[in-house]
Amino acid sequence: GAVVSQHPSRVICKSGTSVKIECRSLDFQATTMFWYRQFPKQSLMLMATSNEGSKATYEQGVEKDKFLINHASLTLSTLTVTSAHPEDSSFYICSARTGKRTEAFFGQGTRLTVV
Amino acid sequence: AQTVTQSQPEMSVQEAETVTLSCTYDTSESDYYLFWYKQPPSRQMILVIRQEAYKQQNATENRFSVNFQKAAKSFSLKISDSQLGDAAMYFCAFTGNQFYFGTGTSLTVIP
Repeated sequence: GAVVSQHPSRVICKSGTSVKIECRSLDFQATTMFWYRQFPKQSLMLMATSNEGSKATYEQGVEKDKFLINHASLTLSTLTVTSAHPEDSSFYICSARTGKRTEAFFGQGTRLTVV
Repeated sequence: AQTVTQSQPEMSVQEAETVTLSCTYDTSESDYYLFWYKQPPSRQMILVIRQEAYKQQNATENRFSVNFQKAAKSFSLKISDSQLGDAAMYFCAFTGNQFYFGTGTSLTVIP
């Protein structure tokens, strides 16, 4: 099956700093990538949808200036958490798909801890 | 906006028995797909089964099958001959333009 690689798997950063998470589709071209946040024992909350070459579409309540998403190529999307605070600590997951209404393939997730 | 609802936060099943997980959704779109994903403790999301909304026939994948009732907007997952490795969080998902997940059902398999 298609492989999505997410890096890093774990990151600890100091409050006030920024951290970048990468999501790569290794063996297919991802026209659309999704970014999710997951709290312990809860569902995946969609943060934003990004299409290659265009601006990301953010879900209501998600601060676009805080969670910067870039989908520069058909194989790479990045999520940058700017000026991170402890409340941003969470598990972030990306997914990618090749076309509309097809299944999405998921990265391994990134556990972010802000201290 | 699309919503996906799973009304069973937790379910348990005896090994080798059958269990059904429920899911309902709401959408104004006519062309969409539905999925069930499994998330084991590793937190890696694994696709279990997919259903195209335009297909009337229920999808089947080995021990996993769905009961898709489009008019009722219901999409349940049946797991037959449950195995210990089936224990995980199960998420129902909807995709049209975006990709939304239900609240999840934690499945325990009792030996």
